[in-house]
Amino acid sequence: QQQVKQSPQSLIVQKGGISIINCAYENTAFDYFPWYQQFPGKGPALLIAIRPDVSEKKEGRFTISFNKSAKQFSLHIMDSQPGDSATYFCAASSDMDTGRRALTFGSGTRLQVQP
Amino acid sequence: GAVVSQHPSRVICKSGTSVKIECRSLDFQATTMFWYRQFPKQSLMLMATSNEGSKATYEQGVEKDKFLINHASLTLSTLTVTSAHPEDSSFYICSAKDRGISTNEKLFFGSGTQLSVL
Repeated sequence: QQQVKQSPQSLIVQKGGISIINCAYENTAFDYFPWYQQFPGKGPALLIAIRPDVSEKKEGRFTISFNKSAKQFSLHIMDSQPGDSATYFCAASSDMDTGRRALTFGSGTRLQVQP
Repeated sequence: GAVVSQHPSRVICKSGTSVKIECRSLDFQATTMFWYRQFPKQSLMLMATSNEGSKATYEQGVEKDKFLINHASLTLSTLTVTSAHPEDSSFYICSAKDRGISTNEKLFFGSGTQLSVL
């Protein structure tokens, strides 16, 4: 019930292309869905997040698409740049679950943007 | 933005020794801090949740006597790996939630600590 499944495990994209990473969740109580970017040897940094009341959120080159009925959400990186090369994690949590508000992370996607 | 300072960033120790990792929220008060463990090329796995002034809640399979967590103030939580062994070598990451915000929208991560046990 707490699992968040992420795909693909790794992704290679040419500079200027679109990177797409997908996640699916099981727990219908989840109501907060962030994406994190992590560089080697560093902690994860929040990239963008969405709540189930909207189907899409865009911030600069990053867009989250959310499909509540399918229990899926995805990250789109437009005009991908070599500096975007990192590991990306989707996550989910339930703010209604007062006892456990920790994020549940997906397995991660290693993105490599080739120049 | 809010900053969570984690120290040390890297530590190498001998097997059998104890190591303390500090996690500080620098510009906000954190009633709740989370400790994660990350193996190479793997995801972050929640180890425990600590609330200021109370005992930490450990995830299933995490030994509370081995991974001692203290959250004595609203800005500091510590994780002590006691009697460390090579299998404890991992990347440990803390995160802190802003006291004033009840949701995870104000959840900030430290930069992590790479523990290597020889």
